[in-house]
Amino acid sequence: GAGVSQSPSNKVTEKGKDVELRCDPISGHTALYWYRQSLGQGLEFLIYFQGNSAPDKSGLPSDRFSAERTGGSVSTLTIQRTQQEDSAVYLCASAGQGGDTQYFGPGTRLTVL
Amino acid sequence: SQQGEEDPQALSIQEGENATMNCSYKTSINNLQWYRQNSGRGLVHLILIRSNEREKHSGRLRVTLDTSKKSSSLLITASRAADTASYFCATGQNSGGSNYKLTFGKGTLLTVNP
Repeated sequence: GAGVSQSPSNKVTEKGKDVELRCDPISGHTALYWYRQSLGQGLEFLIYFQGNSAPDKSGLPSDRFSAERTGGSVSTLTIQRTQQEDSAVYLCASAGQGGDTQYFGPGTRLTVL
Repeated sequence: SQQGEEDPQALSIQEGENATMNCSYKTSINNLQWYRQNSGRGLVHLILIRSNEREKHSGRLRVTLDTSKKSSSLLITASRAADTASYFCATGQNSGGSNYKLTFGKGTLLTVNP
């Protein structure tokens, strides 16, 4: 079946605008993760959804960042009032119930001018 | 701070040589995984080793885990130009309830020259 997909692949926005990034996980995967990767850096954990449990939001850097997962499937990461330091690649990953291995999407490259 | 730290940060070798990358971590783990990333895009899972395992093989990959030293190594044998990528170690921990987290290091950039 299809892997994890993300859209858009690239997003250029102006400082102060809101952006929405979308993630379609692998069908049937109960866990969904968002990460941020700045240039030349490792992955920074943002948020984790597992089934119907309350999401782990401990990695969100500020209250400008939020995410939701509708119907246990598609997830949207929203960044309000974007800042230049928000420029990064935003990666989504999904995993099966009890699965240790995460399957990553291709990422969305966000550039804030 | 990062849970996993890869060493070296960058490695350049000739095709056919072996490449060894190391990872150190700080806290107890359930497992340790290695991922590969091409061109700053999505990561691809390579191999997982559990905390009660010491060595694992997959094709040209060999991973070791020493929990007493909190370290792991990834060996790629008979490297190819197509192995050029960034390699990340990630430590898996249960963070309470059903929550499970992977914490990634900053990666090793491997360049295999033809």
